[in-house]
Amino acid sequence: TQLLEQSPQFLSIQEGENLTVYCNSSSVFSSLQWYRQEPGEGPVLLVTVVTGGEVKKLKRLTFQFGDARKDSSLHITAAQPGDTGLYLCAGLMDSSYKLIFGSGTRLLVRP
Amino acid sequence: DAGVIQSPRHEVTEMGQEVTLRCKPISGHDYLFWYRQTMMRGLELLIYFNNNVPIDDSGMPEDRFSAKMPNASFSTLKIQPSEPRDSAVYFCASSPRLAGNTIYFGEGSWLTVV
Repeated sequence: TQLLEQSPQFLSIQEGENLTVYCNSSSVFSSLQWYRQEPGEGPVLLVTVVTGGEVKKLKRLTFQFGDARKDSSLHITAAQPGDTGLYLCAGLMDSSYKLIFGSGTRLLVRP
Repeated sequence: DAGVIQSPRHEVTEMGQEVTLRCKPISGHDYLFWYRQTMMRGLELLIYFNNNVPIDDSGMPEDRFSAKMPNASFSTLKIQPSEPRDSAVYFCASSPRLAGNTIYFGEGSWLTVV
């Protein structure tokens, strides 16, 4: 059983469309990170959110941490083929200091 | 700057053989992590070290797996004997601190056990 569930698991969209990826848990996290992983490479950190309700923007990407620090979302505006990849959320739990990764969302942006 | 360096990048081995994966973390990083990634289970933390000392190995699947960090610039993950279900991508990662910090991943070691 995954501690962090991501949805959707797979997403195929046309260039220019908007999309939202969700990361949900019943556990509280002290911080939450989003990574992007491209084929043949390791995950690369996109953002860290630490405060409940926090919103961070990275160009066309908007990240939000839920008020209760149990969930997060990633919204991409006007998706581009370069956004294609595996998006992973990862939560840090107060009690264990271990970074727990979500199940991942595979995004394909078609030109 | 050199990132986390892993070797080998690809390994194909027969069931029962010993496999050794190697990692050089980023210089100055006190934390080193070994993760395993599969389609079914996603990215799982196997073990992590702080200042070369294993802190949490609760993710290590069974006694066939062992990890060492003899010094600050080198770590190994060993599987003996290997089984087909060990086939996965094994990532080494390092971080300067633990809580809330960026974890830098290597490119991974793709292991296939036949």
